[in-house]
Amino acid sequence: GNSVTQMEGPVTLSEEAFLTINCTYTATGYPSLFWYVQYPGEGLQLLLKATKADDKGSNKGFEATYRKETTSFHLEKGSVQVSDSAVYFCALSTITGNQFYFGTGTSLTVIP
Amino acid sequence: GAVVSQHPSWVICKSGTSVKIECRSLDFQATTMFWYRQFPKQSLMLMATSNEGSKATYEQGVEKDKFLINHASLTLSTLTVTSAHPEDSSFYICSATAESSYNEQFFGPGTRLTVL
Repeated sequence: GNSVTQMEGPVTLSEEAFLTINCTYTATGYPSLFWYVQYPGEGLQLLLKATKADDKGSNKGFEATYRKETTSFHLEKGSVQVSDSAVYFCALSTITGNQFYFGTGTSLTVIP
Repeated sequence: GAVVSQHPSWVICKSGTSVKIECRSLDFQATTMFWYRQFPKQSLMLMATSNEGSKATYEQGVEKDKFLINHASLTLSTLTVTSAHPEDSSFYICSATAESSYNEQFFGPGTRLTVL
């Protein structure tokens, strides 16, 4: 079956620290992979995505590479800011997009 | 492009009343819409999937008569929480897929429901 396993939080970092949030998946077929961000009291916003193996998604300084050999899609950012404080969700979708599987979410707090 | 709106953004109601939440795709036709529920500090739980003009498909454990879903057009789906109780208080999020988007769901901003 399909599932996403995400690093548990909460994660607290100092400003300008390096961020890694681990995400691994199991899937039948060739899923697309996503990272979504949720700010307090808001809905989900797409942060980045990758649709095939070795693709790298990037946005706002965040990056994640679709690694089929390790079934991973780890989120990284070289220097976090206070404004990056949010909950991050890793997700995969099946080829039609009609089945979406979310990780449990990782809460990130960045302190000045 | 690919904007999804929800209305209202938050609602407070008395126990026993019904509440309707609207989900609209503003600039595209949504082939399929989804309703999720999110408890505090938890992930999203898929409640149901709906296609325009047909009955919604509910996930196991979700009461169909409690959570009525109507997908009236390619741009509008509604979720009605009937006879709401305090345990129905939650954050409800809808999403939609479009024919032109590959494997992607577009999420609404969510509706915070509080039942007193």
